[in-house]
Amino acid sequence: AQSVAQPEDQVNVAEGNPLTVKCTYSVSGNPYLFWYVQYPNRGLQFLLKYITGDNLVKGSYGFEAEFNKSQTSFHLKKPSALVSDSALYFCAVRDGGSGTYKYIFGTGTRLKVLA
Amino acid sequence: GAVVSQHPSRVICKSGTSVKIECRSLDFQATTMFWYRQFPKQSLMLMATSNEGSKATYEQGVEKDKFLINHASLTLSTLTVTSAHPEDSSFYICSASAGLLNEQFFGPGTRLTVL
Repeated sequence: AQSVAQPEDQVNVAEGNPLTVKCTYSVSGNPYLFWYVQYPNRGLQFLLKYITGDNLVKGSYGFEAEFNKSQTSFHLKKPSALVSDSALYFCAVRDGGSGTYKYIFGTGTRLKVLA
Repeated sequence: GAVVSQHPSRVICKSGTSVKIECRSLDFQATTMFWYRQFPKQSLMLMATSNEGSKATYEQGVEKDKFLINHASLTLSTLTVTSAHPEDSSFYICSASAGLLNEQFFGPGTRLTVL
């Protein structure tokens, strides 16, 4: 069975500092990994994805994530946080090797960037 | 990326009435659409998967007679919450993909409040 964990409910970071939002996953086949951001009362906005290829994935709004197979992690990072980055972030995984189409979402991490 | 819209963005209704939510793929043909439900401060839970022209597949615990899904065309799926009750109040998000195993693109969500 596939699963994804976001161990932190909330992450606080000062504006201008680097930020990391953690995500670990478990799948039996090849992982397809996604990061989404959600602002209040809004849907999910796609940030980036890893399907195959380079382990460092660059996405929207200056975000990037590194796929680490040995640690089964896909942490979201940004070199310099903005107050406007404050939102709810979801990691999602799909097992690309099993033929399943379902996305499994983590519980979400609330990012708060302090001015 | 592909654009998915939802209508209405928010709806308030009285207990016992039915509410229809539309999900449209604006710039691609969505053979598969997914309906998710998100409770406050929680993650997205898949409710059902619909393929154009066929019956929806519901997740365990989701009442198919309560949450009617119609996927009549390659650009439109509807979710009807029948005889709505306050416990049905939630944020409903749809996603669309060009195939069951293709990437999902998410709509902006619909906030349903049942009084």
